[in-house]
Amino acid sequence: QSALTQPASVSGSPGQSITISCTGTSSDVGGYNYVSWYQQHPGKAPKFMIYDVSNRPSGVSNRFSGSKSGNTASLTISGLQAEDEADYYCNSYTSSSTWVFGGGTKLTVL
Amino acid sequence: QVQMVESGGDVVQPGRSLRLSCAASGFTFRSYGMHWVRQAPGKGLEWVAVIWSDGSKKYYADSVKGRFTISRDNSKNTLYLQMNSLRAEDTAVYHCAKAPTTPYYMDVWGKGTTVTVSS
Repeated sequence: QSALTQPASVSGSPGQSITISCTGTSSDVGGYNYVSWYQQHPGKAPKFMIYDVSNRPSGVSNRFSGSKSGNTASLTISGLQAEDEADYYCNSYTSSSTWVFGGGTKLTVL
Repeated sequence: QVQMVESGGDVVQPGRSLRLSCAASGFTFRSYGMHWVRQAPGKGLEWVAVIWSDGSKKYYADSVKGRFTISRDNSKNTLYLQMNSLRAEDTAVYHCAKAPTTPYYMDVWGKGTTVTVSS
């Protein structure tokens, strides 16, 4: 159950777009469309942002979008806002009937 | 509104046991799967365990298998995590999280309870 691979940090200016990658294997990300993304502000509980690779739960801004190609999933945030500065985690269901998170990516809005 | 409140976190010595609870409200608890997820100090999220809505299926991360047991009491709207043979590396904030209609995600999270394993 190795963690999915995410960049440690990404940054962007207000109004710009950024993309966070999440690389796994054919036993997790590549094998299932059960990929989700979570946003976590310091000291807060994680927030559910994306499910089924690219679907947004009710109430999540349409500036957040997800995609997947092979063993790599991606989260794109467009029109960056200061409030988007947070840690982001991907998650996938695995062939072992377990779940695995990525190591997390710290987004800095410059 | 949908809410989960964890409790039971404490400072314990290595090798000891602890039981965490997660009190749920604002939704029909017996209809949803539930997860435990932990976060070590300054580290990322780590999935720990899941239990189906009726308790019929339970799955664990390799790091806790054989030591931790997830359970639920649907009559009390409460989720549990029994943690035995605790190790220093189990030190973390433990969150319970509700699954939506399928068990593959965690759509609402509790704020967590802190477990510190130290001699």
